[in-house]
Amino acid sequence: QQQVKQSPQSLIVQKGGISIINCAYENTAFDYFPWYQQFPGKGPALLIAIRPDVSEKKEGRFTISFNKSAKQFSLHIMDSQPGDSATYFCAASIGAGGTSYGKLTFGQGTILTVHP
Amino acid sequence: KAGVTQTPRYLIKTRGQQVTLSCSPISGHRSVSWYQQTPGQGLQFLFEYFSETQRNKGNFPGRFSGRQFSNSRSEMNVSTLELGDSALYLCASSRQGRDRETQYFGPGTRLLVL
Repeated sequence: QQQVKQSPQSLIVQKGGISIINCAYENTAFDYFPWYQQFPGKGPALLIAIRPDVSEKKEGRFTISFNKSAKQFSLHIMDSQPGDSATYFCAASIGAGGTSYGKLTFGQGTILTVHP
Repeated sequence: KAGVTQTPRYLIKTRGQQVTLSCSPISGHRSVSWYQQTPGQGLQFLFEYFSETQRNKGNFPGRFSGRQFSNSRSEMNVSTLELGDSALYLCASSRQGRDRETQYFGPGTRLLVL
């Protein structure tokens, strides 16, 4: 059972454009939602994360928007650069109050290509 | 501070063999999680260890096992390898207390089963 669904599978944007990747989850017990960036030959690296007590979090050019009622969250990359070309994964875990925070459930990934 | 290290980085085995992969977490991190990454199934959780005890387990057959040592280093073992076990195996560590949900990944061990 895929508990986190990610779309699109691939995305092509022009330099300077906005990249938007969406994720939807099923398990309402999830309370920690990170986004990871992975370059070829490397392990995933944490980009930004959000907890459901806020609807938006911004770090530099990266913003997470969170809609608890719709069970959806998205990553926005502003002013996309060729160096942002990578695979992006959304994920979810049950964090506070439990012992399952070491178990991340990942979306299927989005291959982002930013053309110069 | 050094990141998560995994050894070996690349491995070629044949069907039926067994393999052991190693992971050294970031200094001070006591939780270690393992994931399998394949093009078809994506990133899937294998298991998590904390203080030498398995705390969480994913939906993988018993051929996949792991352990953690007192210095938090972890190993995972796959016995009776199958072609479908070819994957990138990733290890991640996290600390206790605030931000304990944040997992830091190593570069992975790429396993090819022939």
